[in-house]
Amino acid sequence: GAGVSQSPSNKVTEKGKDVELRCDPISGHTALYWYRQSLGQGLEFLIYFQGNSAPDKSGLPSDRFSAERTGGSVSTLTIQRTQQEDSAVYLCASSPGGLISGANVLTFGAGSRLTVL
Amino acid sequence: GENVEQHPSTLSVQEGDSAVIKCTYSDSASNYFPWYKQELGKGPQLIIDIRSNVGEKKDQRIAVTLNKTAKHFSLHITETQPEDSAVYFCAASKGDIPTFGRGTSLIVHP
Repeated sequence: GAGVSQSPSNKVTEKGKDVELRCDPISGHTALYWYRQSLGQGLEFLIYFQGNSAPDKSGLPSDRFSAERTGGSVSTLTIQRTQQEDSAVYLCASSPGGLISGANVLTFGAGSRLTVL
Repeated sequence: GENVEQHPSTLSVQEGDSAVIKCTYSDSASNYFPWYKQELGKGPQLIIDIRSNVGEKKDQRIAVTLNKTAKHFSLHITETQPEDSAVYFCAASKGDIPTFGRGTSLIVHP
């Protein structure tokens, strides 16, 4: 597509429920990133995919968080047994990847705002 | 790992004034420094970037400077306009994963 698409744009859930957040990157972009932005805070790195593999999962805050990417395209971030501190905006970004010029220029989606009651 | 500090956290200016946002980084191997602008309800958008073989880069009213020796880089916005009001993030990267600063909320008063 023309840009990075994220869904849902807003999600309100109860504590303890599982949620899935979806990211559809720019067509042809091999690299995909998930960041978390809490209220008034910066961008906290969660996970990075190159193709379907995730060479860096170091930012996932706990084992309740997991992510996958299939077909080198769509990615899903899953949060199990949500807690109130999980409330944040979850941003997805993609980049061309590889060795070309501009390979690491990120294009962000509009984010998924998660509220855990 | 990389650590990026960004100052100030909030910057308030009058329309027409200049605004300067400063960032420092810790990893001397970092070689790519993008700046992103985030408007309310939207994702961050790249506005300018600089690579470590360049000291300054300009694009109309915005410019970025880089001092590799001191490991700091700055964003300069001249002739600010109300539509420049947003949160600005700096970042530093030596590979695929950029590390972001905590952001600067710029408010331009008409």
